[in-house]
Parts: sequence; structure tokens; C-alpha cells
Amino acid sequence: EAQVTQNPRYLITVTGKKLTVTCSQNMNHEYMSWYRQDPGLGLRQIYYSMNVEVTDKGDVPEGYKVSRKEKRNFPLILESPSPNQTSLYFCASSPLGGLNQPQHFGDGTRLSIL
Amino acid sequence: AQTVTQSQPEMSVQEAETVTLSCTYDTSESDYYLFWYKQPPSRQMILVIRQEAYKQQNATENRFSVNFQKAAKSFSLKISDSQLGDAAMYFCAYTTSGTYKYIFGTGTRLKVLA
Repeated sequence: EAQVTQNPRYLITVTGKKLTVTCSQNMNHEYMSWYRQDPGLGLRQIYYSMNVEVTDKGDVPEGYKVSRKEKRNFPLILESPSPNQTSLYFCASSPLGGLNQPQHFGDGTRLSIL
Repeated sequence: AQTVTQSQPEMSVQEAETVTLSCTYDTSESDYYLFWYKQPPSRQMILVIRQEAYKQQNATENRFSVNFQKAAKSFSLKISDSQLGDAAMYFCAYTTSGTYKYIFGTGTRLKVLA
């Protein structure tokens, strides 16, 4: 089954404790992206990647890191999480930026930073 | 900078009636793509419809159609014969082939009344 898998689905942690949210896709997509969703703000893109070793900043990259060492994986790293990073996070993938085919989204990760 | 604006935080429609959700955007690009995504309570993100800016013809997908007014930078979504399953948050989104950076609107929550 074609899917984007995020882990964990839920996480409660404390300020300053490094965490990684993993994202993996099995569709051989070139494009992968991370978004955060906050009430009243919609989805905002954090980082995206056009292919292995190619990443670019979205609108809200501060406080986040990503890497794309393999085509299928695109982890999101919070080196020193803060309460303002409490949010619902989505990973997505698509062929060639999703212009002619839709982005496939993961099921979301609910992060709470205390 | 590109922006996407959804001015209706919430809309209601009677079952079997028609409803239109508004989206306006701002860009200086000529080659761009517009999307409507649906997010039901399950949190899944589902592509509803997409429109290429270079196409004059409005996109349609079954009961869903768009009114794309390029000069006015407007991209509204019309849902005909509304069904209870259409109840969801709807997001308008924009990207270009130049950057593949995505901009989402803040969303419109659609309620369908039986």
C-alpha cells in the first residue's frame, strides 16, 4: 500500500530535550515536505526537499532541522524544542513537487512541548 | 511574497444544497498551481481539486468545481449537492514550478446540516 508513515503519532516532552519525528514514504517520490498546522494559521511549510541531499526552507524553518540522506526518509529534528513548537505536524511526499500529482500526506504527529 | 487568503473561517450548508468557499491569492509569478485540500475530522489531508494557472478552463471533479479568475487572483471552490461526508476543513494552497514551495490558506470549516 502506498503510504507516508510518520512516527511517533503523539509525543509529550519537555523544553530542550532533542527529538526527531521520522517520515518515510514507499512511493519513490522525489519531493518531500514538512508542515505544521496550528488553529487559525492553517498549514505552514517548514522545510522541503526536491531530492536526496537537496533541502530548502519553507516559511517557518526556525528551530527545525531536516536531512535527506535517502530518498524514502525525511526526518524532522527539533534540537532544543520550545513550547511554541507545540503543534500538529504533517509530512508529505509527491513526484516532482506535486504539480501534476497530489501530495500524499502522513497521518500527522501531535507534539506537545511542556 | 506570495500569500493565500481564505476569508471565511466557517461556513454552513444544508444537505443537497450548493456552497462556495472563497480563496484569493497574491503572486507575481505567471506559472503556478492552485489546490483545494480537504481535512475531515480524521486529520487526513485529501486533494479535492487542482488548477494550473495557464489553463483557462475551470477544473471540475464530480460535485466539486472551481471558479478560477486569474486577473482577480481568485480561486473559489463550489460544492454541489452537499453531502454529510463533505463536512471538513478545506484548505486552499498555492505553489509554483519555480520553487515548489507551498503556501496554504488558514482554512474554512464547512458544516453540513441534515
